[in-house]
Amino acid sequence: GAVVSQHPSRVICKSGTSVKIECRSLDFQATTMFWYRQFPKQSLMLMATSNEGSKATYEQGVEKDKFLINHASLTLSTLTVTSAHPEDSSFYICSATPSGILYEQYFGPGTRLTVT
Amino acid sequence: SQQGEEDPQALSIQEGENATMNCSYKTSINNLQWYRQNSGRGLVHLILIRSNEREKHSGRLRVTLDTSKKSSSLLITASRAADTASYFCATFSGGYQKVTFGTGTKLQVIP
Repeated sequence: GAVVSQHPSRVICKSGTSVKIECRSLDFQATTMFWYRQFPKQSLMLMATSNEGSKATYEQGVEKDKFLINHASLTLSTLTVTSAHPEDSSFYICSATPSGILYEQYFGPGTRLTVT
Repeated sequence: SQQGEEDPQALSIQEGENATMNCSYKTSINNLQWYRQNSGRGLVHLILIRSNEREKHSGRLRVTLDTSKKSSSLLITASRAADTASYFCATFSGGYQKVTFGTGTKLQVIP
């Protein structure tokens, strides 16, 4: 149980285009989902917290107009990287917390974004 | 911001040896968790230790937590080549469920 999927696993896009990444909790409902970014050989940095039915909360330094987050249902959150640039190339990982349970997060397998 | 610092940053050992990784953090926590990440892959949850626990075991893994020193250690006994990966500690704090990851230790187990 407690499986989180991400789609796509890898994506290559051209500079200036937008890319959408999906994060799904497959066997549980998740009121809260989190988006992380990881640069090569570095740790995970929390980008934003996504709450179902409300606006996402962004960490300091993360551009909310560039990284659009939508959490329209209890099993799906999406991250859209708008007008992507090469410096946005990174590994994006989502996690989800089962509704009503604190301090447990289940991580997706990640999405490798390459902007050319 | 990353509040967890891990050491060593890299560790290379022979198969069969034990590997110890340490994690220090700065603020009060609810629990601390250890994760493994193979190169370019997602995170695999290894073990969770709550703030009122001092030691926990899971198979070949042993985790300790010293809240007075704000530190934790992960011991992998009888290491295997398949244990080669990066290991991260993550602290859960506050009612907001915010997770902060450590800088990670890259472990290489040589067959």
